[in-house]
Amino acid sequence: GESVGLHLPTLSVQEGDNSIINCAYSNSASDYFIWYKQESGKGPQFIIDIRSNMDKRQGQRVTVLLNKTVKHLSLQIAATQPGDSAVYFCAENRRAAGNKLTFGGGTRVLVKP
Amino acid sequence: GAGVSQTPSNKVTEKGKYVELRCDPISGHTALYWYRQSLGQGPEFLIYFQGTGAADDSGLPNDRFFAVRPEGSVSTLKIQRTERGDSAVYLCASSLGWGGSSTDTQYFGPGTRLTVL
Repeated sequence: GESVGLHLPTLSVQEGDNSIINCAYSNSASDYFIWYKQESGKGPQFIIDIRSNMDKRQGQRVTVLLNKTVKHLSLQIAATQPGDSAVYFCAENRRAAGNKLTFGGGTRVLVKP
Repeated sequence: GAGVSQTPSNKVTEKGKYVELRCDPISGHTALYWYRQSLGQGPEFLIYFQGTGAADDSGLPNDRFFAVRPEGSVSTLKIQRTERGDSAVYLCASSLGWGGSSTDTQYFGPGTRLTVL
């Protein structure tokens, strides 16, 4: 996995605004890309995933965009709420070759009231 | 329904001791995974099971680490002769399947925080 040290990139966002979290992935053979949310003292919580043959997928208040050309993944959160404050990780895997996840560096999101 | 559970939630041990960490997956989930997370980093893969057998143990750092899942449900991660560098949060996840479909989504437990003094 990647080493990002103790100082995670931080995104500060005003409550009600939209948040965009970015992630660069490394393996062009990956077939699934997943976003997890991790609150302090808890395990990662699944948010949404996208298969490599798609470029956009929407969930409840979240949208994931995949750009395979530049190996870039983003998570958009609409109308960010205080409960969205957490660390967000992207992950990738090749499910047909085993299901182990490779996580990227996290981004800390702080929602200001 | 119940999620993935892990016990203990915290474990403090001394250098050189043996520890066991337990994971109870979501009922009916056939695949089980162990990851390790150091402070400020994303989880790193250790090992995963399909049923009772270890399908991929390529992430285990050395032969002090071993995991079992004898009945295809509960799993135990065992660490011998612990070292201070083993201190981390050990996460367990499970998924319904592993065949390359949407059923492969991994759901994580709360983790066990291991501190080696």
